[in-house]
Amino acid sequence: EDQVTQSPEALRLQEGESSSLNCSYTVSGLRGLFWYRQDPGKGPEFLFTLYSAGEEKEKERLKATLTKKESFLHITAPKPEDSATYLCAVHLNANDYKLSFGAGTTVTVRA
Amino acid sequence: DVKVTQSSRYLVKRTGEKVFLECVQDMDHENMFWYRQDPGLGLRLIYFSYDVKMKEKGDIPEGYSVSREKKERFSLILESASTNQTSMYLCASRPTSGGQYEQFFGPGTRLTVL
Repeated sequence: EDQVTQSPEALRLQEGESSSLNCSYTVSGLRGLFWYRQDPGKGPEFLFTLYSAGEEKEKERLKATLTKKESFLHITAPKPEDSATYLCAVHLNANDYKLSFGAGTTVTVRA
Repeated sequence: DVKVTQSSRYLVKRTGEKVFLECVQDMDHENMFWYRQDPGLGLRLIYFSYDVKMKEKGDIPEGYSVSREKKERFSLILESASTNQTSMYLCASRPTSGGQYEQFFGPGTRLTVL
């Protein structure tokens, strides 16, 4: 069965302490991988789409990369406002509509 | 910017009531989705619609129905609310054309069934 696994479940960082989140997937074919940010009590906010291995996208302190079996979301010199849950989702070949979501990584950045 | 709005941020209903959750998007997207999100279970797809009056079941459609009479509006209906339907409900939309597959989410409705 196709699966999306995110690690770690939770990450506590000091302000300025860079780190990476992982999203690994076991799918027969990948049409796209998506990163979202979700603040408590709110809907997910779209961050990036990655389509092919080697692709990278950047936005402020966030950088997403993609290999054949996993994606990383790098947070460089994080600030407290980067605290959120980061969700990864994959768009599968088998179904044109559905996204499969990971459980998310909750990032807490302390000042 | 894509804007997806949901009719209520918080809703409290009683067991057995019929509940309507409304979602509107302003980007002329063909596809719309309803998810529920629960701690430890992540986002689960309830129903989706790929065009007006068209719908398909997602992973957990039991106890729910949907309606899409206009392109911009997608409604989720709980025919007889039960306590196990207490959850955060999220609506999303995305275009079909242009090779874009990312979904854009609304702010969510936190539903409590007593």
